Amino acid sequence: DAGVTQSPTHLIKTRGQQVTLRCSPKSGHDTVSWYQQALGQGPQFIFQYYEEEERQRGNFPDRFSGHQFPNYSSELNVNALLLGDSALYLCASSLAASGGPYNEQFFGPGTRLTVL
Amino acid sequence: GDSVTQMEGPVTLSEEAFLTINCTYTATGYPSLFWYVQYPGEGLQLLLKATKADDKGSNKGFEATYRKETTSFHLEKGSVQVSDSAVYFCALSDRTGNQFYFGTGTSLTVIP
Repeated sequence: DAGVTQSPTHLIKTRGQQVTLRCSPKSGHDTVSWYQQALGQGPQFIFQYYEEEERQRGNFPDRFSGHQFPNYSSELNVNALLLGDSALYLCASSLAASGGPYNEQFFGPGTRLTVL
Repeated sequence: GDSVTQMEGPVTLSEEAFLTINCTYTATGYPSLFWYVQYPGEGLQLLLKATKADDKGSNKGFEATYRKETTSFHLEKGSVQVSDSAVYFCALSDRTGNQFYFGTGTSLTVIP
């Protein structure tokens, strides 16, 4: 059973450029969340997608946008890149109707974005 | 808003030493609490969890008890191994169960 996969593994961009990161959820999962993990910090919630719509959003500017496809995979887009966007971007998948007090999230290995 | 504060690192221990990593939280309502571990070059893995007060989560010799009165979820292990060297994150999920809030992480190095 494939877990959460992300591509690419590493990416180098320059300021002002745009980037797209991709995520395939764990088999059977229908919800994808994106996190930004700056060096030496914990992951920060960017947003969550369910049923192809953004369901919840953290404190990130509109330069960060996303998309979820009918097969539940997801993309994270960042426009007008800043040096401060350099980070590890983590994707996590979960099952919305898990029936418990929380929806256990399974994390991918991340995409390391460097903005020069 | 919801948040997690955990002990700053790095922490260096000798093999078989006792480990404690402190974690306290602020949350509305009754969150679920977690410890995640991140090995070098890898994503986060769930280590253990607790969903209500006084629950004890345990896995691979690690334990943490959900203490509502002190809003804490401290991670402990009686005898650490070299293979436990990693970064440990305390986290909580919000009332929806969807959004997770993470601490800043504590790096643990265990030396033989």
